[in-house]
Amino acid sequence: EAGVAQSPRYKIIEKRQSVAFWCNPISGHATLYWYQQILGQGPKLLIQFQNNGVVDDSQLPKDRFSAERLKGVDSTLKIQPAKLEDSAVYLCASNPLSGRQLDEQFFGPGTRLTVL
Amino acid sequence: DAKTTQPTSMDCAEGRAANLPCNHSTISGNEYVYWYRQIHSQGPQYIIHGLKNNETNEMASLIITEDRKSSTLILPHATLRDTAVYYCIVRARLLGDKIIFGKGTRLHILP
Repeated sequence: EAGVAQSPRYKIIEKRQSVAFWCNPISGHATLYWYQQILGQGPKLLIQFQNNGVVDDSQLPKDRFSAERLKGVDSTLKIQPAKLEDSAVYLCASNPLSGRQLDEQFFGPGTRLTVL
Repeated sequence: DAKTTQPTSMDCAEGRAANLPCNHSTISGNEYVYWYRQIHSQGPQYIIHGLKNNETNEMASLIITEDRKSSTLILPHATLRDTAVYYCIVRARLLGDKIIFGKGTRLHILP
């Protein structure tokens, strides 16, 4: 079974530029999450989708961050404009709505963003 | 904020059992204890979860105290590949209930 795919793996931009990250969850997983992980800290949830609807985006800085999951499968996370403090690893995760895997979130390898 | 308290770091000799403690004194009756780990440059990986009974799977054992205020993750025969950050998380096993990660315990397995 293929895992959660993310691209790019690394991105370096200058502040005030825009950037987008892509995630392809495990096939059949209805729930998709985006996390931000700053160096030395645990991942912080930014947004949670169930199919193509938003379940929780309370921690998403909506003035600069946006995310979509139009067809309930792939998702993109965008930052516009980027700030220095956005430097972090952005992790995508997914899990199904039912079944034995309900308790596990499956994480992708992440995208490491450096803002200069 | 995370509802758990874990030591910042721990060392364990290769081949020995690694015992990682976690305090969760404010855990609610419907909340489970979950453990994830994160190997360097990878995303977190689920290990195990439990409510009140001890649990064991192919990766680890989870021991939860009777009052449920603390737990211990046990890696029975640690290898160098077990070097990672281990996160203890409490959450209700409900659809949409999010995982809140703390800083975790950095476990070093020593050769």
